[in-house]
Amino acid sequence: AAGVIQSPRHLIKEKRETATLKCYPIPRHDTVYWYQQGPGQDPQFLISFYEKMQSDKGSIPDRFSAQQFSDYHSELNMSSLELGDSALYFCASSPGTSTRYEQYFGPGTRLTVT
Amino acid sequence: DQQVKQNSPSLSVQEGRISILNCDYTNSMFDYFLWYKKYPAEGPTFLISISSIKDKNEDGRFTVFLNKSAKHLSLHIVPSQPGDSAVYFCAASDGVGAQKLVFGQGTRLTINP
Repeated sequence: AAGVIQSPRHLIKEKRETATLKCYPIPRHDTVYWYQQGPGQDPQFLISFYEKMQSDKGSIPDRFSAQQFSDYHSELNMSSLELGDSALYFCASSPGTSTRYEQYFGPGTRLTVT
Repeated sequence: DQQVKQNSPSLSVQEGRISILNCDYTNSMFDYFLWYKKYPAEGPTFLISISSIKDKNEDGRFTVFLNKSAKHLSLHIVPSQPGDSAVYFCAASDGVGAQKLVFGQGTRLTINP
């Protein structure tokens, strides 16, 4: 079965650079979520989109922005990168916004800021 | 403020025995709970979920129990197998907005042969 695809899997950037992470949800899933997992920490919700509109926002820095496109893929744009942005970034998708829909996670993008 | 807590960072269980992973939460608005399993270098994999209107949900070797009055849930794995060795995350949702998940810190389960 098709899963959530994230690219790139690994990314190394320097401080103050920008990064773009991409997420391709499971086919027919219209909701996308972004989470950040720091070293030794639990995943923290960043932002979500339903039908190409932002549906919820968590602890996402103003330096980050995201959007969902017409084909339902999503991109997380990160600017003025800081050392503390080094983390695993997970994308998840679900077939709707109901609480009864489980979120399915991609393999993650490991971002390292040097 | 950790709304979902997994107080045991690690758990070691002998193969064939029962593994019990625990999770506590503080937000009484949470109405849906999920368990995810995570291997290194992979994303969390959904295991099992339970709605707050139930107190038990079973799927094969996995059973989740919910005690709303105690704000406590547990995941039972029986019998435990070596492939169950992973980090297990408890997550909760409050049904508001787009149902973002709030995760616990995770418990590393090791199944010993």
